[in-house]
Amino acid sequence: DQQVKQNSPSLSVQEGRISILNCDYTNSMFDYFLWYKKYPAEGPTFLISISSIKDKNEDGRFTVFLNKSAKHLSLHIVPSQPGDSAVYFCAASADSNYQLIWGAGTKLIIKP
Amino acid sequence: GAVVSQHPSRVICKSGTSVKIECRSLDFQATTMFWYRQFPKQSLMLMATSNEGSKATYEQGVEKDKFLINHASLTLSTLTVTSAHPEDSSFYICSARGRGRPPYNEQFFGPGTRLTVL
Repeated sequence: DQQVKQNSPSLSVQEGRISILNCDYTNSMFDYFLWYKKYPAEGPTFLISISSIKDKNEDGRFTVFLNKSAKHLSLHIVPSQPGDSAVYFCAASADSNYQLIWGAGTKLIIKP
Repeated sequence: GAVVSQHPSRVICKSGTSVKIECRSLDFQATTMFWYRQFPKQSLMLMATSNEGSKATYEQGVEKDKFLINHASLTLSTLTVTSAHPEDSSFYICSARGRGRPPYNEQFFGPGTRLTVL
C-alpha cells in the first residue's frame, strides 16, 4: 500500500521554463510534507517543506503547494536550471511518529 | 545546515563477510537515526529506526540479525551487514534528526554508502 505516490517516473523540461513535480498521498494523518533532491550516488538533500496548516511555501525558485482536500502537493521550480536535473522525492510524516514515508521519486531532466 | 557523514562511501566485499557502515552527525546531537536502503529506480526504503541508547526498531521484512544497528552515542550509529550476500548489494543511506532542530521533523541525510558484494 503506497501512501505517498509520485506517478511520473521522469519529467523533461526546457531550461528557463517551469518544472512542476506532483505528489499524492492517501493518509489523512500526514501533517508535514517535504521535498528532497537527490543526485546519483549521493544522499537526499532537503529542499523545502510545508506544514498542513499552510497551502503554500516559497523559498527562492522553489514553491510547494498543498491541496489537503485533494491530498495532493506539488513542487514548482521556476526558472528551471541545468543543475536542477536530479531525482526529486516527496516525503510525508504524521504527528504520531517521526518516520518519513517516501514516494518513488521523479527524475527531472532540464534540457538546455 | 547540519552535517551527517557516512563511512565508507564505497565498499566491495566477498560473500560471507561482514561489513560495518558508520553514520555520524558532525555538528549536532542526533537523538534518532534512520537507516535506508535504495533499490534501483525505487524509493528509499526505511530499514530501521534507532534512538540513542535503545534497541533499533526494524521495519517489517528487514532481518534484524542480518542488519545489526547500534546507536551507542548521540553522534554515531552503525549498521553491520552480517554474512553479506550479493543480494545485499545496494546503496545504504542514513539520516539523523536532532533534538529540537527546526523545522519540525526534518531529517539530515548522509551521503550514502555503496555496498557491492561479490
